[in-house]
Amino acid sequence: AQSVTQPDIHITVSEGASLELRCNYSYGATPYLFWYVQSPGQGLQLLLKYFSGDTLVQGIKGFEAEFKRSQSSFNLRKPSVHWSDAAEYFCAVGAQGGYQKVTFGTGTKLQVIP
Amino acid sequence: DAGVTQSPTHLIKTRGQQVTLRCSPKSGHDTVSWYQQALGQGPQFIFQYYEEEERQRGNFPDRFSGHQFPNYSSELNVNALLLGDSALYLCASSLVARSSYEQYFGPGTRLTVT
Repeated sequence: AQSVTQPDIHITVSEGASLELRCNYSYGATPYLFWYVQSPGQGLQLLLKYFSGDTLVQGIKGFEAEFKRSQSSFNLRKPSVHWSDAAEYFCAVGAQGGYQKVTFGTGTKLQVIP
Repeated sequence: DAGVTQSPTHLIKTRGQQVTLRCSPKSGHDTVSWYQQALGQGPQFIFQYYEEEERQRGNFPDRFSGHQFPNYSSELNVNALLLGDSALYLCASSLVARSSYEQYFGPGTRLTVT
């Protein structure tokens, strides 16, 4: 069974500082990996996804993530955080092949301070 | 191009009652997935519909059922509501022929069971 762990429940960073959100997954083969963002009271927006190929994936809003198979990780990064990045971030994993069942982590809430 | 729409936005029900939530997928999409997001948690996969059939199901009891119509829209039904069913219910649509897992989420329906 596939699973996702986001070890940081809450992270606070200063505006302009760099950001890294951690994600570890469990899956028997090469997974599909995703990062979503959710603002308060909103649905989920896809930031980026990894299916295959280059292990460094670029997404929207200046985010990137790196797939490290040896560490079963898919950490999200941003070099300079903006106040508007404050939101909850979810890492998710999907199985290749078959129908598109996606398993989400419990999320990391990002607070940005001036 | 309309995105994923869900109705109603908010709903208050009493224990034991039944509820129906509705979802219209993004134009051109043929697959609808439903997720339950409890407060402070990540979305949990309920089930997925494609070609008017349930294709995959998560760990939810039979009180949760669904339907997909020929126009690809979908309903989620929950019978015998429990307090623990209070959550944000998210609908996501995708195109199964594109095995890219690019799911677009609606804003959700907030269900409160009293």
